[in-house]
Amino acid sequence: AQSVTQPDIHITVSEGASLELRCNYSYGATPYLFWYVQSPGQGLQLLLKYFSGDTLVQGIKGFEAEFKRSQSSFNLRKPSVHWSDAAEYFCAVGAKGGGSNYKLTFGKGTLLTVNP
Amino acid sequence: KAGVTQTPRYLIKTRGQQVTLSCSPISGHRSVSWYQQTPGQGLQFLFEYFSETQRNKGNFPGRFSGRQFSNSRSEMNVSTLELGDSALYLCASSPGTGMPDTQYFGPGTRLTVL
Repeated sequence: AQSVTQPDIHITVSEGASLELRCNYSYGATPYLFWYVQSPGQGLQLLLKYFSGDTLVQGIKGFEAEFKRSQSSFNLRKPSVHWSDAAEYFCAVGAKGGGSNYKLTFGKGTLLTVNP
Repeated sequence: KAGVTQTPRYLIKTRGQQVTLSCSPISGHRSVSWYQQTPGQGLQFLFEYFSETQRNKGNFPGRFSGRQFSNSRSEMNVSTLELGDSALYLCASSPGTGMPDTQYFGPGTRLTVL
């Protein structure tokens, strides 16, 4: 069965600093990988996704993520954090379910606090 | 395009009652998935519907059920509510055809069971 580990439960950074959120996955085949962000009281917004091809993917809001198959990782990065980036971030892997579609397995999330 | 909508946004019920939550997917999307989010267990997959048929199912008791209508709108029902069912219930829609697929989430329904 697939699984996702986000080792950092809570990260605090200063505004303008760089950010890296870690994600490790376990899945036997080629994974489909996603990063979502959730603001308080809101649903999940898709930041970016990796299906195949270039291992460095660009997303919205200046985020990027790099897929490293050898390390089973899909870390999220941003060069300069803005106060509005404070939220909870979820990494997810898509794996085939019983049918032809798939279900998402999520990590426990990383809460990002941004100090002014 | 309008996003995924969920109604109601907030709900308070008492133990033993049943509840029905509704989800309207993005226009043209035929797949609707449901997830439960709690502080302890995180985000867990409940089930997925495609063309009015349940295609995938997570590890939840039979008290949790769903259905999908011909216009792709979906409802989720929880019978005999327990305190532990208090959670944010998220619906996600996707085109549902071909692999891979991308799920887009609604704002969720916050269910509180007293």
